[in-house]
Amino acid sequence: GAGVSQSPRYKVAKRGQDVALRCDPISGHVSLFWYQQALGQGPEFLTYFQNEAQLDKSGLPSDRFFAERPEGSVSTLKIQRTQQEDSAVYLCASSQDYGDLHGYTFGSGTRLTVV
Amino acid sequence: SQQGEEDPQALSIQEGENATMNCSYKTSINNLQWYRQNSGRGLVHLILIRSNEREKHSGRLRVTLDTSKKSSSLLITASRAADTASYFCATDRGGGNKLTFGTGTQLKVEL
Repeated sequence: GAGVSQSPRYKVAKRGQDVALRCDPISGHVSLFWYQQALGQGPEFLTYFQNEAQLDKSGLPSDRFFAERPEGSVSTLKIQRTQQEDSAVYLCASSQDYGDLHGYTFGSGTRLTVV
Repeated sequence: SQQGEEDPQALSIQEGENATMNCSYKTSINNLQWYRQNSGRGLVHLILIRSNEREKHSGRLRVTLDTSKKSSSLLITASRAADTASYFCATDRGGGNKLTFGTGTQLKVEL
C-alpha cells in the first residue's frame, strides 16, 4: 500500500485480556519499528526488526510484550494480561533502508485503552 | 527514556509569524530528524539532517544542527493554521539503530 497501515485503530481491553496489534509496513521496507506513546509524551522505542529478524527488543517493558515479523513483512505486537499502564498509542514505522537516508514512515497508530 | 528535550514545550503564534523550536540531545548521533504529529494521528517525517551538516532547508522549514552543543533548531517560516501540531526531534545513531524521540513542542498557529 501507499503507507504503513495499523489495525485496529482503537482497542479497548479489559484488564487481564490479551491483545494483538497489527502493522502492515510499506511493501519492500526492510526496517520495522514499534513505539509506545503515552499521552503528552514522545514515542518510546519498543522493538526493531530487520526483515524477519528481531534485532533489538530492549524497549519491551515486560515479558508480557511480544512482537513478531515471521515473513519479514507484516508484524504483530502482542500484549498478554494487559494492565492499565499499557494504555497508550502503539505506533509502527518502517523504512526501505536503515532510516538514515529518508527517515521513517509511521502508521496512524493503535490507541489501546485498558479498563 | 527520552534522548532529548524540546523547548519550548508549547508555543502559540499568529499566522504569518515564524516559529522556532529547539532540541537538545545527549549522545553522539548519525543524524537528527524532525517529525510532525497532528492530534490523534501518526508522525510525519519532515526533514533529516546528518551529523556532518550544519543547516538544511525544505520549503518553509529550516533546520540547524550544532553537534558541539548537541542541539538542533527547527524554524517554520510564514506559519499557517495548518502547521498547528506537535513537533518532535528524534536522534538516530545509525546502522539501523532506534530513533530516540524528544518530548515534543506543541505549536498552535492562530488566525
